[in-house]
Amino acid sequence: GAVVSQHPSWVICKSGTSVKIECRSLDFQATTMFWYRQFPKQSLMLMATSNEGSKATYEQGVEKDKFLINHASLTLSTLTVTSAHPEDSSFYICSARDFSGLETQYFGPGTRLLVL
Amino acid sequence: ILNVEQSPQSLHVQEGDSTNFTCSFPSSNFYALHWYRWETAKSPEALFVMTLNGDEKKKGRISATLNTKEGYSYLYIKGSQPEDSATYLCASRGSSNTGKLIFGQGTTLQVKP
Repeated sequence: GAVVSQHPSWVICKSGTSVKIECRSLDFQATTMFWYRQFPKQSLMLMATSNEGSKATYEQGVEKDKFLINHASLTLSTLTVTSAHPEDSSFYICSARDFSGLETQYFGPGTRLLVL
Repeated sequence: ILNVEQSPQSLHVQEGDSTNFTCSFPSSNFYALHWYRWETAKSPEALFVMTLNGDEKKKGRISATLNTKEGYSYLYIKGSQPEDSATYLCASRGSSNTGKLIFGQGTTLQVKP
């Protein structure tokens, strides 16, 4: 149980295009989903927290107009990197937490984005 | 300590060796400490969530302890096996936020047969 999928697993795009990444909880309902980014040799850094049906809360320094987050259902959150540039190339990974109130966050396998 | 720090950064051991890693975290406004195991090309797997000072948890050959007053946690692996090779992440959650985890950089363990 508690499986989170993420799609795509990797993507290469041209500078200026937008990329959408999906995060799905497959066997539970996720009240809260989290989006993280990891640069080489660095920690996972939280970008934003999204609650179903409400606007995402972005961490300081993360541009909300650049990284659009939608959490339209209890099983799906999407992150759209708009007008991607080479500096947006990174590893993006989501996690989800269920209704139970338990602490555990369940992670997807991540998406590697390369912007040329 | 303002950040979550893990040591060592990497570790190479022989099969059968026991090993341990350290996670240091801010002790003020502490809420919970998470440990994850992350194998290449897979999702991070939740190992433990610890909240109480002095807490000790065990899962098979892996165990963890927690000291919230001084802000550290140890992860122990007894009799390491090649399948234990992975990056082990710890993350701290403070009481003043809603689920936000602050991650360390991880300890990468390689167990040689």
